[in-house]
Amino acid sequence: AQRVTQPEKLLSVFKGAPVELKCNYSYSGSPELFWYVQYSRQRLQLLLRHISRESIKGFTADLNKGETSFHLKKPFAQEEDSAMYYCALTTSGTYKYIFGTGTRLKVLA
Amino acid sequence: DVKVTQSSRYLVKRTGEKVFLECVQDMDHENMFWYRQDPGLGLRLIYFSYDVKMKEKGDIPEGYSVSREKKERFSLILESASTNQTSMYLCASSEQGARVAFFGQGTRLTVV
Repeated sequence: AQRVTQPEKLLSVFKGAPVELKCNYSYSGSPELFWYVQYSRQRLQLLLRHISRESIKGFTADLNKGETSFHLKKPFAQEEDSAMYYCALTTSGTYKYIFGTGTRLKVLA
Repeated sequence: DVKVTQSSRYLVKRTGEKVFLECVQDMDHENMFWYRQDPGLGLRLIYFSYDVKMKEKGDIPEGYSVSREKKERFSLILESASTNQTSMYLCASSEQGARVAFFGQGTRLTVV
């Protein structure tokens, strides 16, 4: 069965420290992976997707098919990065998302 | 900008009531979704629709139904609300062939 696992419910880091939010998935085919972010009192929005291979707000994520991972990284955390982050995948032939349980990132001053 | 609008931000309903959650999108998207968001459980798909009058069950459809009479509007119906349906409900839409979804602001439903 398809599954997305985010092992950390809460991740606290100090401002300026590196951040890595972990995401692992299980799917035998070729998935498309995403990171969505929800800031306080705002709607869920796309942060980045693996096929774009771009950096958004300093965040990057690389799809590692061997390890079935799509970890989100940022070299220097900022206070405004504090939010709820969800990893999600879609599979070929469907537009449904399978979401992980989310990781709350708190960046401390 | 794509706009997905949910009719209510907060709702309080009584057990046994029939509840309607409305969602409207203004970008002519074919796909629309209803998710439920609970702490520690992430987002779980209730129903989705890929065309007018077309619908498919998601992972947790029990106790819910949906209606899509017009392309821009997707309604979630709780036939007889129960306390375990207290949750945040998110509507989303996406273009045919596109994988990126746009979300509404959410409706926090409390069933008492």
